[in-house]
Amino acid sequence: QLQLQESGPGLVKPSETLSLTCTVSGGSISSSSYYWGWIRQPPGKGLEWIGSIYYSGSTYYNPSLKSRVTISVDTSKNQFSLKLSSVTAADTAVYYCARLVQYQLLHYYYGMDVWGQGTTVTVSS
Amino acid sequence: DIQMTQSPSSLSASVGDRVTITCRASQSISSYLNWYQQKPGKAPKLLIYAASSLQSGVPSRFSGSGSGTDFTLTISSLQPEDFATYYCQQSYSTPRGVTFGPGTKVDIK
Repeated sequence: QLQLQESGPGLVKPSETLSLTCTVSGGSISSSSYYWGWIRQPPGKGLEWIGSIYYSGSTYYNPSLKSRVTISVDTSKNQFSLKLSSVTAADTAVYYCARLVQYQLLHYYYGMDVWGQGTTVTVSS
Repeated sequence: DIQMTQSPSSLSASVGDRVTITCRASQSISSYLNWYQQKPGKAPKLLIYAASSLQSGVPSRFSGSGSGTDFTLTISSLQPEDFATYYCQQSYSTPRGVTFGPGTKVDIK
């Protein structure tokens, strides 16, 4: 059974770079059927997509975060990572990694079918 | 960018009630619409993809409908474990873009 696990510092200082890693177990990150994504949720608020990556390294980012976000993949470790630079208190959130699976019906549809448990990141001095 | 809205933002219901949540997209997204359930302190769970397809393992009391800009999630008979927040998400531009609705919280009347 596929599992995702986020890891990284729970506390980051303002203006510094937030770095998280998602480790994929029970399956290969290099499957052609999936993208891998990062989503965050500020305390008491809704879900915000940060970006997605394919095992080949192709990336897509939320335009509102694009200037500060880098997502990378390490297929040898079955991991993908998030870096968010110049963080402020507004970046305090639970950060989730997820698998984007492609469903083939009449067309191709994507859904996030497997999620990590989430990791809380607080931005504070 | 495609924007998503949901209504209501919250609702109170009793066990056994039929519950309907609405999601609207700012432009036509055909059937590229997913629904998620999130319980406090937990990751979201995919319920419905492609507007009306039930994700494996999800109870049949959950159903989705709609196309274009207007979509509905229906819980035919609310169960105690269904009290949660529900989010719609457009996948029309996925993987290039993903947008979630603001959520609808379902709590106990």
